[in-house]
This record gives sequence, structure tokens and C-alpha cells, in this order.
Amino acid sequence: ETGVTQSPTHLIKTRGQQVTLRCSSQSGHNTVSWYQQALGQGPQFIFQYYREEENGRGNFPPRFSGLQFPNYSSELNVNALELDDSALYLCASSHTGVNEQFFGPGTRLTVL
Amino acid sequence: GIQVEQSPPDLILQEGANSTLRCNFSDSVNNLQWFHQNPWGQLINLFYIPSGTKQNGRLSATTVATERYSLLYISSSQTTDSGVYFCAVGGKLIFGQGTELSVKP
Repeated sequence: ETGVTQSPTHLIKTRGQQVTLRCSSQSGHNTVSWYQQALGQGPQFIFQYYREEENGRGNFPPRFSGLQFPNYSSELNVNALELDDSALYLCASSHTGVNEQFFGPGTRLTVL
Repeated sequence: GIQVEQSPPDLILQEGANSTLRCNFSDSVNNLQWFHQNPWGQLINLFYIPSGTKQNGRLSATTVATERYSLLYISSSQTTDSGVYFCAVGGKLIFGQGTELSVKP
């Protein structure tokens, strides 16, 4: 059984640029959720995707957007990067009807 | 929205000691998970425990859903138990601020 994978592991961008982060869900899972974890804080829910549709969104601006593909993998896109976007971005997968979520290793984004 | 509070925020133990971490939540939930975040940032699933008691080796957890709290017990702690422990609730997980555990040899 393949676990959740994320790419890249680290990324450095400058303010105003755009970034795309990728996540492959655990085999058998059809739901993907994204979280942002700032230094010293608990993860914050960004949004969740199920059947290629957004299925809930946290308190994040529209420049945070996502996609889910037919194979259940997902992308997180952030436009017009700001310094405060520097964080660890975590992807989690789960199966509909089973609430337990499993996390990938994360992508550490630094915005300069 | 639901509030999740964890206590204590920090905990320092000698190897071999036992500890109890607490998670309080402000509303009824149908999902509660405990995680250990390793130094590289990965969240490791410890327990999925919306109610009841579970045990896995030296770790056990109890959730009393009617009283809106959960406890994580660590017995005979080891240095490898060090890290941050998070409680999270809900279908779109709401995390507490974590308990940072340091186990000294």
C-alpha cells in the first residue's frame, strides 16, 4: 500500500510569484485535504477535494486554489505569494465515509 | 467554529517516566485523531478515536465524547517519543496548538 506523497519537498520563491504543490493520495483514498502549518502553530485547514470538486474551504483567500484529478491526486496553487505564505504545506488523504486522514511528508515553502 | 485546546503546551520528562496529554474541544465531533509530528514535519497517525479507549504498545488514548475531552497516555517514555503531539477534530481537521514533549536520557 502506497502512502501519501508530496512534491517538491522544499521550495524557495520570491514575493509575487506563483507556486504549485502536488500530492498523490494513498491508494484506495478518494478525498484530499490541504493544510498550512506556520512555524510553531498547528496546521490550518485550507480546502478539501472530493470527486474533483472543492468540498469545504477554510479561511484562506481566493489566491489559494486547488485541483483534484481523476486518479485522486491533487494540486495546490498559490498566486501572488506573500511573505506570510512561508510555511509547511501538508496534504492528507482519506476515504469518503471514513474520517481518518493520513498525511504526506509536506512541502516546506519559503517566500523571500 | 469548534475550538481545540491542548495542555500542557510543553512537557519535559526523564526517560522512563509516564505522561498524560489532554485535548479539550468545544462541541460534539464525529472524528478525533492524535498525531505525533516528527522533527522533519511529518504527522504520524497515533489514534483515530472519536470515542472510547484504544491502546497501541506504550501509548493509549481515551475520548469521553459527552464531556468533550480526550487523553493521550505515554508510558515508560523514550527519547524517540520527543516531538510535538497534536489533537485534531472534525471532518476538515481542526488542530490544537500541540504539546511539545522532550524526553531526556
